[in-house]
Amino acid sequence: DIQMTQSPSSLSASVGDRVTITCRASQSISSYLNWYQQKPGKAPKLLIYTASSLQSGVPSRFSGSGSGPHFTLTISSLQPEDFATYYCQQTYSSLWTFGQGTKVEIK
Amino acid sequence: QVQLVQSGVEVKKPGASVKVSCKASGYTFSSYGISWARQAPGQGLEWMGWISAYTENTNYAQKLQGRVTMTTDTSTSTAYMELRSLRSDDTAVYYCARAPAIYDVLTGYYMDYWGQGTLVTVSS
Repeated sequence: DIQMTQSPSSLSASVGDRVTITCRASQSISSYLNWYQQKPGKAPKLLIYTASSLQSGVPSRFSGSGSGPHFTLTISSLQPEDFATYYCQQTYSSLWTFGQGTKVEIK
Repeated sequence: QVQLVQSGVEVKKPGASVKVSCKASGYTFSSYGISWARQAPGQGLEWMGWISAYTENTNYAQKLQGRVTMTTDTSTSTAYMELRSLRSDDTAVYYCARAPAIYDVLTGYYMDYWGQGTLVTVSS
């Protein structure tokens, strides 16, 4: 299976901060990388697919970039509703895998 | 609007089986696949597998091969996930999600609409 490693595992930030989360695959996955947001007690929500495409209805402060093994999710100006856990997922292989998650907490 | 509504809480004993349902509405069920993921308490997401509602072909995570079966019923727009020989480490919230993939090549797809989750507790 392709292993996905996110960093950091958690971070503390303030409203208005620019936040960047990194995801690295154990091999090249081209651009087949998705990002999800999950709030406590809720189902995950798709934010970004194929590395940089914004899912309909997702605010433009979220953006994704990268290819090969290295990817980033950026929140340009953190809002109160963005405090959550973020997961990357590779769909290059037919055996999909998620990263371990990055928890974004209030500083 | 697209909705996926899952069945309710389950409590099972070790060695038993559980079958979770996922009823879809708001789209043409057979034009998409359904993927399943689970989340143990306090842990991250684990992808379990995928089924095409068009071909009924499946693709399962290697870790669960032999214990999991995913099926669909197009007459009721419902997907099912059965997990057998339950162990305590199968205790988790189980999620279904729509996946815009109907053929066996899953490259480049994603899970765009999710069910609310079903808590399965395995305990003696």
